[in-house]
Amino acid sequence: GNSVTQMEGPVTLSEEAFLTINCTYTATGYPSLFWYVQYPGEGLQLLLKATKADDKGSNKGFEATYRKETTSFHLEKGSVQVSDSAVYFCALLSGSARQLTFGSGTQLTVLP
Amino acid sequence: EAQVTQNPRYLITVTGKKLTVTCSQNMNHEYMSWYRQDPGLGLRQIYYSMNVEVTDKGDVPEGYKVSRKEKRNFPLILESPSPNQTSLYFCASSFWEGPYEQYFGPGTRLTVT
Repeated sequence: GNSVTQMEGPVTLSEEAFLTINCTYTATGYPSLFWYVQYPGEGLQLLLKATKADDKGSNKGFEATYRKETTSFHLEKGSVQVSDSAVYFCALLSGSARQLTFGSGTQLTVLP
Repeated sequence: EAQVTQNPRYLITVTGKKLTVTCSQNMNHEYMSWYRQDPGLGLRQIYYSMNVEVTDKGDVPEGYKVSRKEKRNFPLILESPSPNQTSLYFCASSFWEGPYEQYFGPGTRLTVT
């Protein structure tokens, strides 16, 4: 079956530091890949997506590239802000059921 | 404003007392889904619906029921809740033919004692 593995958290960074959150996946076929963000007390919001190999998704300074050869979709940001503190979920969508398979989430805390 | 709404946002109940969590979307989405979120497990799909009167099981359907009588609504029913159903529940929706990104409701925190 499909699965998503994210790096373990929590991750604590200082403001303006570089962020990488690793994500690898196992899936049949050609899934679409997503990063969702969950701010405290809120639902999930789509951060970025990529639908085919070598696509780069980007939004709000975050980027992730769909790497089929390494089955990865790592999230990066060059300079994090305190407002980026949240839980980040990597997910894939595959199959006729349109089911999202999520990783376990990575808690990010950015200190001023 | 395009949104997915859920009610109630918080609920504390006792074992065995039937409850319904409502979900409604105003984006004319065909696809709707329920997930539960538990620490260390991410989100897991409970049930989904591809359109009115079409529903199917996700990964963790035991103890839950759903119905889809109208396109905009997708209630989650717990007929006899148990403590292991204490969780944070999210409803989501999307277009069936794409784009496939799912829009999530704000969540319902359920505690079963």
